[in-house]
Amino acid sequence: AQTVTQSQPEMSVQEAETVTLSCTYDTSESDYYLFWYKQPPSRQMILVIRQEAYKQQNATENRFSVNFQKAAKSFSLKISDSQLGDAAMYFCAPRINDYKLSFGAGTTVTVRA
Amino acid sequence: DVKVTQSSRYLVKRTGEKVFLECVQDMDHENMFWYRQDPGLGLRLIYFSYDVKMKEKGDIPEGYSVSREKKERFSLILESASTNQTSMYLCASSPGTGGREQYFGPGTRLTVT
Repeated sequence: AQTVTQSQPEMSVQEAETVTLSCTYDTSESDYYLFWYKQPPSRQMILVIRQEAYKQQNATENRFSVNFQKAAKSFSLKISDSQLGDAAMYFCAPRINDYKLSFGAGTTVTVRA
Repeated sequence: DVKVTQSSRYLVKRTGEKVFLECVQDMDHENMFWYRQDPGLGLRLIYFSYDVKMKEKGDIPEGYSVSREKKERFSLILESASTNQTSMYLCASSPGTGGREQYFGPGTRLTVT
């Protein structure tokens, strides 16, 4: 299995503030995809954002954006203007080969009102 | 709308029982996956299937088997359940290669007593 490291087990953010979740991974491949998934208390895994490794431009999806540093094998997620509904566990998941995702241990995000 | 369903949200079984977890997707996806999710470990791949009757071992296949007789259905089988198989089980599907994300079911929380 690919090694995926999410070094922050928990993060807390004030409503309307910004929080950044870190992720590093290990691969020797040059072409792959990276995903961030969100798992709220309902347990339903939801895709937050996708990044193609061959693209230099960082992906953005509304209040969610990534900072992809290919050489450093780093893929962080920034949540801007945090909302109460953002409270969830977030998983970084590179897809290095054709089928499989590798998941980090997850970061639990708490949003303070 | 994309949909992956799992047969049970909660399941309680006794040690030594044979357990079937069913997953159905309605998106005509080629690939289907079974993960288990444990605190601090993220999601770990048990088995996946890229076509009907085809299967490949994931990272933790021991104690599990799978069956895919129809494209839309992927079953996970615990031949003789043990207490260390108490976990959350997530099914996912994806539409083949090309960087597409995986779509997840709601999960089955299995307790083996």
